[in-house]
Amino acid sequence: GNSVTQMEGPVTLSEEAFLTINCTYTATGYPSLFWYVQYPGEGLQLLLKATKADDKGSNKGFEATYRKETTSFHLEKGSVQVSDSAVYFCALIPESYGGATNKLIFGTGTLLAVQP
Amino acid sequence: GAVVSQHPSWVICKSGTSVKIECRSLDFQATTMFWYRQFPKQSLMLMATSNEGSKATYEQGVEKDKFLINHASLTLSTLTVTSAHPEDSSFYICSAPPFQGNNYGYTFGSGTRLTVV
Repeated sequence: GNSVTQMEGPVTLSEEAFLTINCTYTATGYPSLFWYVQYPGEGLQLLLKATKADDKGSNKGFEATYRKETTSFHLEKGSVQVSDSAVYFCALIPESYGGATNKLIFGTGTLLAVQP
Repeated sequence: GAVVSQHPSWVICKSGTSVKIECRSLDFQATTMFWYRQFPKQSLMLMATSNEGSKATYEQGVEKDKFLINHASLTLSTLTVTSAHPEDSSFYICSAPPFQGNNYGYTFGSGTRLTVV
C-alpha cells in the first residue's frame, strides 16, 4: 500500500543551523508529494509540493526535491529561525489510474524546535 | 484565503458521554470534508469522508456507529464521538479539498484534542 515514513522528532536546532528532515515514501507510479507545516494552535498549511520526478518544491527558504530513484522527498533549509518552530508533515497523494483520488496520506510528523 | 474553522479546540469528557466536533468553511462552500485522527507519534489517519447531501464514506476499520459524521450544509460538517471511552482520546482534524479544481489546495481546521476520562 501507500505510506510515508519520516524521521522521528523532536529535532532541536540553534538559530541559523542547517535543517534536514528525511521523508521516504512507498507508492506505485508517480504520486504527488507535499510538505505541510503546523504552527502551534493552527491548522496544517501547505509548505511546498512536487508533482513529478526531479521537481523541486520551494517556499520560505525551504526546499525538497522529488527523488524517484530513492523514493525520497527530504525537507531542507539552509538557516532556520525561531519562527520555523512547528510540526512538519510529509504527505503524498497516490497517482490516479482512471479514477479520482485525492486522499492525502501523511507521515507521522516531525517537531522542529529552534532555539535562539 | 480559504479558512476552515474547527471547534472546540480541546475538550475533556467523561466516559460514556458524546462529543460533537464542528468544522465550518468560512468563505467557501465545501461539499466534501475529510476527517482525520492522530495518535501520539503516529500519522494522521483518514477516518471518513463526509459529503453534503449523502452518507459519509468510512475507511476500513472505522466504526460508523461510534463516529457519526454529518454534512448538514455546504459549510458545515460535524463529527460526533458517541459513548466515548478513554481509547477514543486523540487529536481529530478536518480538511476540505480544493474547491477551484486545484488538486493541492487542501484547507485544514486547527484540530480538536479530545481527552476522555
